[in-house]
Amino acid sequence: GAVVSQHPSRVICKSGTSVKIECRSLDFQATTMFWYRQFPKQSLMLMATSNEGSKATYEQGVEKDKFLINHASLTLSTLTVTSAHPEDSSFYICSARGGTGGGNQPQHFGDGTRLSIL
Amino acid sequence: DQQVKQNSPSLSVQEGRISILNCDYTNSMFDYFLWYKKYPAEGPTFLISISSIKDKNEDGRFTVFLNKSAKHLSLHIVPSQPGDSAVYFCAASDRQAGTALIFGKGTTLSVSS
Repeated sequence: GAVVSQHPSRVICKSGTSVKIECRSLDFQATTMFWYRQFPKQSLMLMATSNEGSKATYEQGVEKDKFLINHASLTLSTLTVTSAHPEDSSFYICSARGGTGGGNQPQHFGDGTRLSIL
Repeated sequence: DQQVKQNSPSLSVQEGRISILNCDYTNSMFDYFLWYKKYPAEGPTFLISISSIKDKNEDGRFTVFLNKSAKHLSLHIVPSQPGDSAVYFCAASDRQAGTALIFGKGTTLSVSS
């Protein structure tokens, strides 16, 4: 099946640091990538949707200057958490959707990144 | 306001029996529904999906039922196996609009041998 690789799997860093998370589709071209955030025992909350070559669309309440998303190619999207603070600590998961079927294709997920800000 | 609800946070079933996981949704524009399985420290894995034009879809031990009038879907696992123990997420989207999946909070399934 489709493989999505997310890196790194875990980050621990000091407050004020910027952290970059990469999401790659390994065996298909991802026309659309999504970034989710999950708090303990909560649902996966959509943060933003990005289409290759265009600006990301952020969900309400998500600071676009805080969470920078770049989708420069059909196989790579990055999420940069700028000047991270302890409240940004969370589990971040990317997913990718490919093909020309648009919403007809299932999303395939990476294994997530556990971000811990001290 | 939660558009996708999984009201049972957990479910315990004996090996060999049927597991039934339930999901309700509120948005009538949703026309594509999926179930994902998730192990700790891993991303969700796609299990099975169903389009709103169908009321049932089967794949091996997994069957998803959709009741559009009740805005309800369920995942049946028969027979349940210990390896099925995981968190199961229900997700929905408006396929025509190509929107991202909206997830429920998940149900933790424990299958005992």
